[in-house]
Amino acid sequence: DSGVTQTPKHLITATGQRVTLRCSPRSGDLSVYWYQQSLDQGLQFLIQYYNGEERAKGNILERFSAQQFPDLHSELNLSSLELGDSALYFCASSRGADYNEQFFGPGTRLTVL
Amino acid sequence: AQSVTQLDSQVPVFEEAPVELRCNYSSSVSVYLFWYVQYPNQGLQLLLKYLSGSTLVKGINGFEAEFNKSQTSFHLRKPSVHISDTAEYFCAVRSNNAGNMLTFGGGTRLMVKP
Repeated sequence: DSGVTQTPKHLITATGQRVTLRCSPRSGDLSVYWYQQSLDQGLQFLIQYYNGEERAKGNILERFSAQQFPDLHSELNLSSLELGDSALYFCASSRGADYNEQFFGPGTRLTVL
Repeated sequence: AQSVTQLDSQVPVFEEAPVELRCNYSSSVSVYLFWYVQYPNQGLQLLLKYLSGSTLVKGINGFEAEFNKSQTSFHLRKPSVHISDTAEYFCAVRSNNAGNMLTFGGGTRLMVKP
């Protein structure tokens, strides 16, 4: 158990819908990262937040957005969902903004029908 | 830009045999290198990391990896595998100039047979 929690574990929804994925980092970690794992794209970095502020951005679509709240949990919002958004979404956390070790949560499996 | 190539998508091996999972990276600056393991229906767990110093890095579960700067490689090895090592293994790189984001390879599925 990494100490990173993600909810829900599974999510099934329809095209065009909007969903919110939630992540709670390890106690004491200030950075949260979101990654997407899909069969065709592999594991891709989406976005990083550090202490409430966006720190780095990767291959995140405009339809996707994220935020980190004062209690340091983070939410990833996915809107206008398409079939191709079906994937495993991982959250990871680390102590600082540039701290090397990231601890991964169990993931949320999103299925878009 | 940085990239990671894992040369084998699947590696079948018999129990108690040695195994090497290959990883090559490209980056124009200094890098930090990682190997993660993903067991079925689970998240990623850090196996080992190279930040600096000795090029031979030892990790958990008897795994080790060697950083070779001239060949831009970071191959993962284990002298004797167990059935429980069956999993997906990911090599990842973080460059000095890329924040703390990790760039992952495509993964190698290690299949240990009895």
